[in-house]
Amino acid sequence: GQNIDQPTEMTATEGAIVQINCTYQTSGFNGLFWYQQHAGEAPTFLSYNVLDGLEEKGRFSSFLSRSKGYSYLLLKELQMKDSASYLCAVLDSNYQLIWGAGTKLIIKP
Amino acid sequence: DTGVSQDPRHKITKRGQNVTFRCDPISEHNRLYWYRQTLGQGPEFLTYFQNEAQLEKSRLLSDRFSAERPKGSFSTLEIQRTEQGDSAMYLCASSPRLETPETQYFGPGTRLLVL
Repeated sequence: GQNIDQPTEMTATEGAIVQINCTYQTSGFNGLFWYQQHAGEAPTFLSYNVLDGLEEKGRFSSFLSRSKGYSYLLLKELQMKDSASYLCAVLDSNYQLIWGAGTKLIIKP
Repeated sequence: DTGVSQDPRHKITKRGQNVTFRCDPISEHNRLYWYRQTLGQGPEFLTYFQNEAQLEKSRLLSDRFSAERPKGSFSTLEIQRTEQGDSAMYLCASSPRLETPETQYFGPGTRLLVL
């Protein structure tokens, strides 16, 4: 079966750095997405990785290791508005997005 | 174009009633997806269209659910004889087929509550 695992909840302090991990087992791989979702709102696109390595975009970076079936999202200089759920999703061999359950990130002052 | 829109944003209905939701994708996007999301879970795929053709339908989608995209533009999702278990957020997303990555852009969702 297809499976995506990420921690249910994480807590971090404003101004700090946090790393949200995602491991996956899917039938095929055509890229991995990270989305941010604030409570009661729709997911918004953050990043996409299809090759191994680190992609940096401002305060957010995403890393991929295809051989390990592993990705992480790194958030730097945390702000209160970063409190949200972060969803990891893999595009499988049928180009269907398989979603994780999301990691709820709580930022404390 | 300001993005994907969905209507209504909220719907409360009684068990056994039919409901219909509408999604207007970003105008140049030819792929349209429907998802269902419950609290604490990621989106669950329901179905998707490429232009007006419905190419994939989740086996989780019972006969009470039907979706259309008659002219390859907006789409409707109908749930017949609603059940309390249908209460969820229904999300629509669209993507341009030839863009890499083929990013899906989501609408604000329709929150359904079945009493």
